[in-house]
Amino acid sequence: DTGVSQNPRHKITKRGQNVTFRCDPISEHNRLYWYRQTLGQGPEFLTYFQNEAQLEKSRLLSDRFSAERPKGSFSTLEIQRTEQGDSAMYLCASSLAAGGPVEGTQYFGPGTRLLVL
Amino acid sequence: GQQVMQIPQYQHVQEGEDFTTYCNSSTTLSNIQWYKQRPGGHPVFLIQLVKSGEVKKQKRLTFQFGEAKKNSSLHITATQTTDVGTYFCAGPNYGGSQGNLIFGKGTKLSVKP
Repeated sequence: DTGVSQNPRHKITKRGQNVTFRCDPISEHNRLYWYRQTLGQGPEFLTYFQNEAQLEKSRLLSDRFSAERPKGSFSTLEIQRTEQGDSAMYLCASSLAAGGPVEGTQYFGPGTRLLVL
Repeated sequence: GQQVMQIPQYQHVQEGEDFTTYCNSSTTLSNIQWYKQRPGGHPVFLIQLVKSGEVKKQKRLTFQFGEAKKNSSLHITATQTTDVGTYFCAGPNYGGSQGNLIFGKGTKLSVKP
């Protein structure tokens, strides 16, 4: 399967614990995005990388959140001191930068569903 | 700030009926993308529209991009139970750097057999 993969698919944790999610993008894609989706809402942008550089972070991304893409391939998203409000689906997407005004298609992974008790 | 709005939020149809969802942006978009998310699934890319007034068809699905590039629609002819899911439109976020998308809240379609 050459699509975007995410691990784990589900995570249940207690408030205050740290969690880390992993995303493996489509291999030739240089852009990687993290989104968060809650029930009844569309995905909300969190951050994105072009190769290993983190180019943008949303205001939604508090100091408790950190993302890395150390070798420009897979990425990790860590949430420290989780809160109940962090419960959501965390989606990763990747794309090939098109250059110019029209962006490459973003392909989403299956997501990691986080429940903070 | 920049917003992408979709109506209706929910649509219930009898199998065989047509379905349309509408997407409106607060800003002019260079392109608009449509995604489908099945219950329990993740967003799956359907199409990207780029040109003003563009119309694209995929079997029973017809996508339109408005002349002013601020609105779009998705029309499904003769719905089937396999069409069930939430349909999202998304446009580039001009407040940030290139690449990230602003999604609408989606239109959830249910189809009664």
